[in-house]
Amino acid sequence: AQSVTQPDIHITVSEGASLELRCNYSYGATPYLFWYVQSPGQGLQLLLKYFSGDTLVQGIKGFEAEFKRSQSSFNLRKPSVHWSDAAEYFCAVGASTGTASKLTFGTGTRLQVTL
Amino acid sequence: GAVVSQHPSWVICKSGTSVKIECRSLDFQATTMFWYRQFPKQSLMLMATSNEGSKATYEQGVEKDKFLINHASLTLSTLTVTSAHPEDSSFYICSAGGTSVFGEQYFGPGTRLTVT
Repeated sequence: AQSVTQPDIHITVSEGASLELRCNYSYGATPYLFWYVQSPGQGLQLLLKYFSGDTLVQGIKGFEAEFKRSQSSFNLRKPSVHWSDAAEYFCAVGASTGTASKLTFGTGTRLQVTL
Repeated sequence: GAVVSQHPSWVICKSGTSVKIECRSLDFQATTMFWYRQFPKQSLMLMATSNEGSKATYEQGVEKDKFLINHASLTLSTLTVTSAHPEDSSFYICSAGGTSVFGEQYFGPGTRLTVT
């Protein structure tokens, strides 16, 4: 069974500082990996995804993530955080069920940005 | 593109009544839709997967008679919480999968259900 671990429940960074959110996954085959962001009371917005190819993927809002198979990791990074980045971030691994992937989510990391 | 809407965004109902939540894919056809439940400050828990025209597949521990899912068209899925109780109060989120073979899901904004 697939699983995702986000070891950091809560992270606080200063505006302008760099950010790295950790994600480790467990999956028997080549994973489909995703990062989503959720603002309070809202649904999830896709930041980026990895399916194959280049292990460094670029996403929206200046985010990037690197797939490291040897470490079973897919960490999310941003070089300079903005106050508007404060939100909940979820890493997810997908198992294709045809045309849509059944996702397993991590427990999330809440990002707080101080001014 | 890839917009998913949910209606209502917020609903209060009395214990024992039923409430229906709609999930629509606005600009694409969704062969598969997913329903999730999210408790405060927790992750999303997959409740069921629905494919257009067939019965939903429920995750272990989810009562199929309590959470009725219908996926009658490629753009609409509904979740009906029957005989709601206060413990059913939660944030319900749907997502829709398009035609991408890589399994992307597009999420609705969620529906907050409060049962009094």
